[in-house]
Amino acid sequence: DVKVTQSSRYLVKRTGEKVFLECVQDMDHENMFWYRQDPGLGLRLIYFSYDVKMKEKGDIPEGYSVSREKKERFSLILESASTNQTSMYLCASSFLGNTIYFGEGSWLTVV
Amino acid sequence: QKEVEQNSGPLSVPEGAIASLNCTYSDRVSQSFFWYRQYSGKSPELIMSIYSNGDKEDGRFTAQLNKASQYVSLLIRDSQPSDSATYLCAVNSGNTPLVFGKGTRLSVIA
Repeated sequence: DVKVTQSSRYLVKRTGEKVFLECVQDMDHENMFWYRQDPGLGLRLIYFSYDVKMKEKGDIPEGYSVSREKKERFSLILESASTNQTSMYLCASSFLGNTIYFGEGSWLTVV
Repeated sequence: QKEVEQNSGPLSVPEGAIASLNCTYSDRVSQSFFWYRQYSGKSPELIMSIYSNGDKEDGRFTAQLNKASQYVSLLIRDSQPSDSATYLCAVNSGNTPLVFGKGTRLSVIA
């Protein structure tokens, strides 16, 4: 079975803190993605990566950055967390053009 | 801008009935189509994928694709209360990330 693991499931952070969300996949997928999901807005793509050390902006990259130093690991970074970044964050991975598989999600609350 | 449209619902069906979920997409060159199910508070999980025009059946689920009409649907036969969830349609156009619809909320009434 494909396994996408998000290490932090529930986080509470203060405004202005730097936040790291980690994601690891065990299927040797080339592609990895970070989404956020908010009620009424659906899934929105933040960043994605098709290869190690490569990153592409998605639809809402502002306020976020990413890092992909190893093929299996894709990290999402909030440089200075704000309350409007309170959301559920979903990591996903896939082979090119194929089904994507999601992690369990990370619930972030910024206070 | 590539778009995937779904009726947000809620779609309410009685237990044992057929639930029909619909999705339209804007990019005519789309190649791959997916249905995900998402329970409240959980992450999306894949139900079915379809790549060619016509029907594809898997148990109680049937995906239907009509590329000429840019339309994909999901039928759930013998709906159960456990099918109550949000169903996300996703479309892929080659070397680009999947584009997701906002989902249709299905409620199966016992």
